[in-house]
Amino acid sequence: KAGVTQTPRYLIKTRGQQVTLSCSPISGHRSVSWYQQTPGQGLQFLFEYFSETQRNKGNFPGRFSGRQFSNSRSEMNVSTLELGDSALYLCASSYGTSGGYTDTQYFGPGTRLTVL
Amino acid sequence: KQEVTQIPAALSVPEGENLVLNCSFTDSAIYNLQWFRQDPGKGLTSLLLIQSSQREQTSGRLNASLDKSSGRSTLYIAASQPGDSATYLCAGKTGANSKLTFGKGITLSVRP
Repeated sequence: KAGVTQTPRYLIKTRGQQVTLSCSPISGHRSVSWYQQTPGQGLQFLFEYFSETQRNKGNFPGRFSGRQFSNSRSEMNVSTLELGDSALYLCASSYGTSGGYTDTQYFGPGTRLTVL
Repeated sequence: KQEVTQIPAALSVPEGENLVLNCSFTDSAIYNLQWFRQDPGKGLTSLLLIQSSQREQTSGRLNASLDKSSGRSTLYIAASQPGDSATYLCAGKTGANSKLTFGKGITLSVRP
């Protein structure tokens, strides 16, 4: 079974630009969550999508948005990039149902975003 | 609001030592707790997940326990090896559909 894939793996942008990151979950998984990881703040939750609906949202500005398609693939968009947006962006997928080991989250390798 | 703490931030041990990594959480109504491993520059690998109704889970040399009343989880690594060197993160959920809240991780170095 293929794991979670993220594209692109590396990205360099300049301030003010916008960027779209993509995440393909494990086949059969309906939940996709996005996280931002920085050395100072650690892993911070951005949002979670389940069956094309945003189910949870973290404390990030509106410049950060996402969506999920009918095949469960998800995209994350950051508009008007700032230097502080430089981070490793991770997505994780799970079955998304309540209880049991179906709740285990599986992470992709991440997209390293550098904002200059 | 669930907060997860992992102390110390870094740990260095000689090969072969048995060790315990600690994780504390503030909301005892935890739904489940998951331990992950992260190698430098990589994504996270799930190690063990403990449901609120369970007290521990085991996988190979790893054993994770959960004590809701004290707000603690521990990851026990038996007979540590240099290949165990990585950052170990714990993360908890307070409900079936709630977000996962992470600790900042413990960077483990196992010296040959």
